[in-house]
Amino acid sequence: DAGVIQSPRHEVTEMGQEVTLRCKPISGHDYLFWYRQTMMRGLELLIYFNNNVPIDDSGMPEDRFSAKMPNASFSTLKIQPSEPRDSAVYFCASSKGQGLNSGYGYTFGSGTRLTVV
Amino acid sequence: AQTVTQSQPEMSVQEAETVTLSCTYDTSESDYYLFWYKQPPSRQMILVIRQEAYKQQNATENRFSVNFQKAAKSFSLKISDSQLGDAAMYFCAYMAETSGSRLTFGEGTQLTVNP
Repeated sequence: DAGVIQSPRHEVTEMGQEVTLRCKPISGHDYLFWYRQTMMRGLELLIYFNNNVPIDDSGMPEDRFSAKMPNASFSTLKIQPSEPRDSAVYFCASSKGQGLNSGYGYTFGSGTRLTVV
Repeated sequence: AQTVTQSQPEMSVQEAETVTLSCTYDTSESDYYLFWYKQPPSRQMILVIRQEAYKQQNATENRFSVNFQKAAKSFSLKISDSQLGDAAMYFCAYMAETSGSRLTFGEGTQLTVNP
């Protein structure tokens, strides 16, 4: 298995532009998570999906952020319009099962480093 | 709300020596999992070890072991025979059944291994 695949690995964009981050989870995993990592706030959960349905998006910072999972093998995180404070590393992760039934933690992608100038 | 605290922003160890990274957490749950993740400069998050709260026996994975003290809500990671490749940021993380698979992370400890 190739693991969780994220693209692009790096993204530099200008303030105000739309940014789309992509994630392919591990086949057979039914949970998908988007995390953001910054120096100030550490790792924080933005949103997660179960069987392609968004379950908890309370971590999405504002309406400029949106996430979709049109099928079991693909998810996107979109920022429109982007701002310099959105600069961070965005991780996608997937797992099989919920909570204690997953038990194995997540498998993380390599992350996308986003820089908004 | 659950919180995870790593009180050591930085630690260093000599190659081949042993180092212990500290983690405490706060929860009212009785069933949960605890994890240690490693993030090397490549930024890949790698699962090092996990512990089920209902198990009294401390988890061990090769040179990595934990000291799980449920009553004290403490979950430290011991790395034996430290290697240069162990240098990384280490995150302690918590997951409870009621949190819906949400992982709550600590602030991280940057480990340096000196040759």
